[in-house]
Amino acid sequence: QVQLVQSGAEVKKPGASVKVSCKASGYTFTRYDITWVRQATGQGLEWMGWMNPKTGNTHYVEKFQGRVTMTRNTSTNTASMEMSSLRSEDTALYFCARIVYDSSGYFLDSWGQGTLVTVSS
Amino acid sequence: QTVVTQEPSFSVSPGGTVTLTCGLSSGSVSTDNYPSWYQQTPGQAPRTLVYNTNTRSSGVPDRFSGSILGNKAALTITGAQADDESDYYCVLYVGSGIAVFGGGTKLTVL
Repeated sequence: QVQLVQSGAEVKKPGASVKVSCKASGYTFTRYDITWVRQATGQGLEWMGWMNPKTGNTHYVEKFQGRVTMTRNTSTNTASMEMSSLRSEDTALYFCARIVYDSSGYFLDSWGQGTLVTVSS
Repeated sequence: QTVVTQEPSFSVSPGGTVTLTCGLSSGSVSTDNYPSWYQQTPGQAPRTLVYNTNTRSSGVPDRFSGSILGNKAALTITGAQADDESDYYCVLYVGSGIAVFGGGTKLTVL
């Protein structure tokens, strides 16, 4: 079955960087885009961007451009999201999810379990 | 900038029926927006309920159904149960590989 397993919780100081990974299994990794979504405590889901694992092409939501980099390793079927210049407002739960975009429509069909990133001095 | 609107909160009695909606600031929602719906309890990963307007994901009870109602996408829960108390998010595809989350609806069952 399709599984996305994310790396563990992180605590970072303001100004630092964090890298969260998302290991995929149960399907052909390069066939589906991976997106990253975050959620601050008590807030809604916020799209950050997505990546095509086959080509490495990325699209970042304007708010995160210049601070977020999404990459992949096709040897280990792992997608990663790195955010730099962290600030307290980046404290959130970060999710990866698989995008299905075909004749079935456009939707997120599988989710990672989430990675809590805490930014605190 | 496209904004997807949802009711901030809703309540339903156990056994009752509730319809949550998902609208577009720029016009009407159609099947071309491929509406999808997600259920989330705090601190947990979202669960995909419905996609492509009205297709239920595997394992989702048939008391959840999706549709287009007027100019909005809709998620109807028939025979609400206590464990349906969650946050519900819709996603609309707006073209060029871009989709947008709604702000979410907090559903209370009481």
